Formats: sequence, structure tokens, C-alpha cells
Amino acid sequence: ETGVTQTPRHLVMGMTNKKSLKCEQHLGHNAMYWYKQSAKKPLELMFVYSLEERVENNSVPSRFSPECPNSSHLFLHLHTLQPEDSALYLCASSQGTALNTEAFFGQGTRLTVV
Amino acid sequence: AQSVSQHNHHVILSEAASLELGCNYSYGGTVNLFWYVQYPGQHLQLLLKYFSGDPLVKGIKGFEAEFIKSKFSFNLRKPSVQWSDTAEYFCAAHNYGQNFVFGPGTRLSVLP
Repeated sequence: ETGVTQTPRHLVMGMTNKKSLKCEQHLGHNAMYWYKQSAKKPLELMFVYSLEERVENNSVPSRFSPECPNSSHLFLHLHTLQPEDSALYLCASSQGTALNTEAFFGQGTRLTVV
Repeated sequence: AQSVSQHNHHVILSEAASLELGCNYSYGGTVNLFWYVQYPGQHLQLLLKYFSGDPLVKGIKGFEAEFIKSKFSFNLRKPSVQWSDTAEYFCAAHNYGQNFVFGPGTRLSVLP
């Protein structure tokens, strides 16, 4: 148990579906992140939220839409995805985005787009 | 933009062998460095971190890493690996004004 919980753990969706990934952290952190982990590629940072404000959008297609309603929760809304979007989506949190902090990760959501 | 490289994609060792995984980062200023491990089917866990001070950092499970600023390196070491160390290892860097940047990972397979 890392203090960062992601649901669902596995998701299979069609290209026309709309679904959402949820992340919740119980660590009192104020920064949250979405990463994409694909086979044989580095972790790709997708979005960063600090104090519930989006501070980074790393050229992510608009079919991925993040939402951070409060400092403990982060969502990733998915619509009209492509098969190449199949990957492990990881949520992380940290105490701020300044130096001398570490990121804590959830177990990820394994997404398969069919 | 900052980048992190890891020297090996896949390392295969026998139990009790010594391990060294290479990591280099590109940023020249103040930087925090990390090694994370991902066991099969599990989340990324922090092995160790360097913020400042002693460049030789000790982490969990007998791992250590040495920060060599002149070489922009933060190599991970363990004197004697076990089968249970089989996992993927990620080096990461964090500098002021940037976010956590991860290397591509090194898969370690330890043969019993």
C-alpha cells in the first residue's frame, strides 16, 4: 500500500467509449501527476497538477482530459481512444513540485483499447 | 529539457553476483536523483534518493548509489543480488522548475 490508490486496476474499452481513471492519495500531498508507461519506452509525463491547478500538459492529445477537483483526487477522462493508447497509466503524488521531495506512485491502471 | 539515460536495457545475473546499473542525467544545476524499482505486477517503489550531502546514498534492500557530479552519473549498486531482486529499475531526476524525469528502465533478471 503506497498511499496512492488507482481504480480500476484493469480497463478494456472500445475506441468509441468514454471512461475515466481515478486516483486518490491519502498522503496530504498537494501535487499529483499522470504518467503513461508503455512497453520499451520511458515513463511519459502527461499532466501535473499543483494545488489543484494544472501546471503542465505535456503535448497530450485532447482525447485525454484530466480533472483535479481537490488535492486528494485526480481523474483522467478518456474518449475516442486509439489502440496505441493501450498502456499502464500511473498516478503519482508529491509534497509540492519543488526540490527535495519524492514521488509516490499508485499501482496503475492497465488500459487496453480494442 | 532534462533527460535521463540508463546504460543497459536488460541485465542477467546469477544469484550472489554483484550489480551495477548505470544512470546519467543531463542537467548541470542542482538536481535530486532517485532510483525506483518495479517488481512484476507491482507499483513503482523508491529504492533510494539523493538530495544533498554525502554522495554515497544507501537505500533499502542493500542497494546503494553514488552521485558523481563531474560525470553526471548516479549508478546503482548491490554487492550480492538475490532472485527476489528480479525487477525493472528506473533512474529519475528532478531539478528546479522541471518535473520528475525518468530513464527508460533496466530490466534485471537474476537466475537462481
